[in-house]
Amino acid sequence: GAVVSQHPSWVICKSGTSVKIECRSLDFQATTMFWYRQFPKQSLMLMATSNEGSKATYEQGVEKDKFLINHASLTLSTLTVTSAHPEDSSFYICSASQGNTGELFFGEGSRLTVL
Amino acid sequence: RKEVEQDPGPFNVPEGATVAFNCTYSNSASQSFFWYRQDCRKEPKLLMSVYSSGNEDGRFTAQLNRASQYISLLIRDSKLSDSATYLCVVNMGDKIIFGKGTRLHILP
Repeated sequence: GAVVSQHPSWVICKSGTSVKIECRSLDFQATTMFWYRQFPKQSLMLMATSNEGSKATYEQGVEKDKFLINHASLTLSTLTVTSAHPEDSSFYICSASQGNTGELFFGEGSRLTVL
Repeated sequence: RKEVEQDPGPFNVPEGATVAFNCTYSNSASQSFFWYRQDCRKEPKLLMSVYSSGNEDGRFTAQLNRASQYISLLIRDSKLSDSATYLCVVNMGDKIIFGKGTRLHILP
């Protein structure tokens, strides 16, 4: 099946720094990728929909200036958490849809801890 | 009404029993539906797609009721390894929405 790779799988950073997370579709072209965030014992929450070559669509309540999304190619989307703070500590997961089936393929997730 | 709703559980079920849970969705134009399974601190993994005619994969049966706008998942002869959170996923065309998940605990 299709594979989505996410990197890094975990990162620890100091408050105020920026962290970039990469999401790659390894064997297919993904015109759309999705970024989710999951806090402990809570459900996945859609943050934004990333479209190749255009601006991302953010969900209500998600700050677009804080969570920068770049989808410059059909196989790569990046999420940058700018000026990270402890409350941004979470599990960030990307996913991509192959074809028109709607089936999602997930990256392994990136666990961010901001000290 | 929330876009996708699930009973959060937990469902505590003895090993070998049958368990079923539903998921309702608000957008009647939703295009496709899936059940994902998520283990603790891991990414969700596709369990099965849900087809209009209903579909079965081993011990798992998924059904779609468009008139009432819900999908269901039935697990027969439950195993300890079935313990997980089951996420309902709805493709609404312009976005894909997850339910909050139903936690299932299979008891020995």
